[in-house]
Amino acid sequence: GESVGLHLPTLSVQEGDNSIINCAYSNSASDYFIWYKQESGKGPQFIIDIRSNMDKRQGQRVTVLLNKTVKHLSLQIAATQPGDSAVYFCAENNYGQNFVFGPGTRLSVLP
Amino acid sequence: GAGVSQSPRYKVAKRGQDVALRCDPISGHVSLFWYQQALGQGPEFLTYFQNEAQLDKSGLPSDRFFAERPEGSVSTLKIQRTQQEDSAVYLCASSLEGRVMSGSAFFGQGTRLTVV
Repeated sequence: GESVGLHLPTLSVQEGDNSIINCAYSNSASDYFIWYKQESGKGPQFIIDIRSNMDKRQGQRVTVLLNKTVKHLSLQIAATQPGDSAVYFCAENNYGQNFVFGPGTRLSVLP
Repeated sequence: GAGVSQSPRYKVAKRGQDVALRCDPISGHVSLFWYQQALGQGPEFLTYFQNEAQLDKSGLPSDRFFAERPEGSVSTLKIQRTQQEDSAVYLCASSLEGRVMSGSAFFGQGTRLTVV
């Protein structure tokens, strides 16, 4: 499949380690955030979301942390697996507007 | 269908040619979104439909871009007189909910447009 990006920031982790992917968002009025995973040749896939009235939300093997003070979002993946290799995007939404996606981070899982 | 389907999967167009990109959303989904994704970047919003009504077209980059969803199901994104800067992956997403895209939206695989 095609690559979704050739010069993205890349995070390399060993299989089984935890991964932390960071995102700085731009609009202090944004009240809803989503993390997407995009594998080569595929469309973005929803991972987890969080609203601005929360600072942490957990899913299966994933946790999203929101720090509104510094406009920072992070995605933590526990026990990273080869199938987690992909490009990860954060997206922010200001209620009533459409989503603005970040530039993306490529996660590479090493065997 | 089982998911959002886009066609063609790949399209090569000569500069100046018109193209039409098709999106078949998940059956019954009210909302439909088009995004443009340039190589190495995140998707950028183009336009949004709620049923057949185009409620937001603020992201369309020029009047060469036109989208329609006449019966509230299938949508077509048309680009007239294509330019090299139009080369990108065009993504369609649909959502059961009738509001701005949430985590309940599903993306198609996209159409890769290359203008030569």
